[in-house]
Amino acid sequence: KAGVTQTPRYLIKTRGQQVTLSCSPISGHRSVSWYQQTPGQGLQFLFEYFSETQRNKGNFPGRFSGRQFSNSRSEMNVSTLELGDSALYLCASSLERGGPDQETQYFGPGTRLLVL
Amino acid sequence: AQSVAQPEDQVNVAEGNPLTVKCTYSVSGNPYLFWYVQYPNRGLQFLLKYITGDNLVKGSYGFEAEFNKSQTSFHLKKPSALVSDSALYFCAVRDMNRDDKIIFGKGTRLHILP
Repeated sequence: KAGVTQTPRYLIKTRGQQVTLSCSPISGHRSVSWYQQTPGQGLQFLFEYFSETQRNKGNFPGRFSGRQFSNSRSEMNVSTLELGDSALYLCASSLERGGPDQETQYFGPGTRLLVL
Repeated sequence: AQSVAQPEDQVNVAEGNPLTVKCTYSVSGNPYLFWYVQYPNRGLQFLLKYITGDNLVKGSYGFEAEFNKSQTSFHLKKPSALVSDSALYFCAVRDMNRDDKIIFGKGTRLHILP
């Protein structure tokens, strides 16, 4: 089975621009979560989607948004980019909630965003 | 609110020695607990998890972790460290009784010295 894929892998943007990142989960996985990783803050949860519905949301401003499509692929969007948005954005997929075998998250390689 | 703490930013261990990476957690109900490892320029890789059952959990690459409910800890261990174990390790927790997100610790950088 192919793993979680994220595109693009690297991105350079300037302040004020907007960006869209894409995540394709492992086939059959219905849950997709997004995280922001920075050296100072570690891994911070952005949001989780399951069956096209946002199930949980982290403490990020409204500039950060996401969605999930019927094929479970997910996108996240950041509008009006700020320098502090520079980070590694990780996507993780899992089967679904609710059972011991369904809790494990599988991570993609991430998209490294640099905002100048 | 649930939380997880990794008290050490960095751990240095000589190759061949046993290693321990510490993790403590706080949840209102029963926890799902996880360890992940991240190598440079890579995403996180799953190592092991505790859901229920035996308190000693065995995972990938010879790692194991012990769930201690009274101390609310889930320390990661390996009997004999390899240089290739050098990486960033994350502990994570989710309250199994709540429909809530998984919380990750800040990570511990493990250096195995040859």
